Amino acid sequence: GNSVTQMEGPVTLSEEAFLTINCTYTATGYPSLFWYVQYPGEGLQLLLKATKADDKGSNKGFEATYRKETTSFHLEKGSVQVSDSAVYFCALWKAAGNKLTFGGGTRVLVKP
Amino acid sequence: GAGVSQSPSNKVTEKGKDVELRCDPISGHTALYWYRQSLGQGLEFLIYFQGNSAPDKSGLPSDRFSAERTGGSVSTLTIQRTQQEDSAVYLCASSLDASPPVEQFFGPGTRLTVL
Repeated sequence: GNSVTQMEGPVTLSEEAFLTINCTYTATGYPSLFWYVQYPGEGLQLLLKATKADDKGSNKGFEATYRKETTSFHLEKGSVQVSDSAVYFCALWKAAGNKLTFGGGTRVLVKP
Repeated sequence: GAGVSQSPSNKVTEKGKDVELRCDPISGHTALYWYRQSLGQGLEFLIYFQGNSAPDKSGLPSDRFSAERTGGSVSTLTIQRTQQEDSAVYLCASSLDASPPVEQFFGPGTRLTVL
């Protein structure tokens, strides 16, 4: 079946540091890939998405590129802020079943 | 308009009791989803509705779990004879349609604690 694996946290960074959260997936065919973010006390929000190989999703300074050859969708941000402290979830979607399959989430803490 | 709303925000119940969790999707969204977020299992899919129909119930953990949607809008997730392992945050999401993949908008969740 489909699965998503992402690096375990917590990841603790200083402000303006570079952030990478690794995400790999297992699925047949060509799933769509997503990053969702959950800020403290808030609901899940879509951060970015990519629907086909080599697509790059970007939003709020975050980027992730859909790599079919490595089945990966790593999230990156060049200079994090304290406000980026949150839990980040990688997810995939396939038409069969129409459901998001999530990774375990990675908690990121950015310190001033 | 308003986002996805869920009620109650918190629910504490005793083992063996039944609970009902409610979800109000964004107006006009035809697809509605239920997920569960728990410490041991992460975020897992439970069920989705397209209109009032549930094409995929495969994620429901046991026959104690059921869900319905009426009028293409409000949905209720019912857990009968609750067990301690049912303790989790239950998330509802809605989207404009089910296919092609469009953004799912999530509600704040209902935190269920079974004592």
